Amino acid sequence: AQSVTQLGSHVSVSEGALVLLRCNYSSSVPPYLFWYVQYPNQGLQLLLKYTSAATLVKGINGFEAEFKKSETSFHLTKPSAHMSDAAEYFCAVRGSGNTGKLIFGQGTTLQVKP
Amino acid sequence: DAGVIQSPRHEVTEMGQEVTLRCKPISGHNSLFWYRQTMMRGLELLIYFNNNVPIDDSGMPEDRFSAKMPNASFSTLKIQPSEPRDSAVYFCASSFGQGSNQPQHFGDGTRLSIL
Repeated sequence: AQSVTQLGSHVSVSEGALVLLRCNYSSSVPPYLFWYVQYPNQGLQLLLKYTSAATLVKGINGFEAEFKKSETSFHLTKPSAHMSDAAEYFCAVRGSGNTGKLIFGQGTTLQVKP
Repeated sequence: DAGVIQSPRHEVTEMGQEVTLRCKPISGHNSLFWYRQTMMRGLELLIYFNNNVPIDDSGMPEDRFSAKMPNASFSTLKIQPSEPRDSAVYFCASSFGQGSNQPQHFGDGTRLSIL
């Protein structure tokens, strides 16, 4: 069975600082992993996805994530935080079968301080 | 391209009333998902369809909730009768189920308040 754990429900960084949001997964099959962002009063928006083509995945808004099989991790990073990055971030792993179901983590709220 | 379209965006009604939420998935997508999001419980998957057939409704909280997908371009989530604890943001998402790397695309949600 597939599952996702996001470490830290709240992360606070200063503007310009490194952003690191942690995600660990469990999967009985080769995983397909996703990061989504949710801005206030909006739906979830795809940031990036890992599909086994490359372990370092670049997404929108300067975010990237690295797939590490040995650590079962897919952490999200951004070198320099911007105030507009303040949002909730969700890590997800594709469920079994061919229905497109995703298993989501509990989410991490990113606060960016000026 | 049009994304997932949900209506209404906001709904305020009194407890006991019937509430119907609507969703139009992205054309060509064959999987549709209904989620509920609250501060207390986070993002919960209520039910999902594949090729218009309900696959898993184990997340539906109780019999007051029902969902239908009469065709590939329309789905409804109905609550009857509604209760204050149903207040939440309800999201619809769609994806192309076949293929290993297809993400879900979310609508902007319906913010439901039951008084």
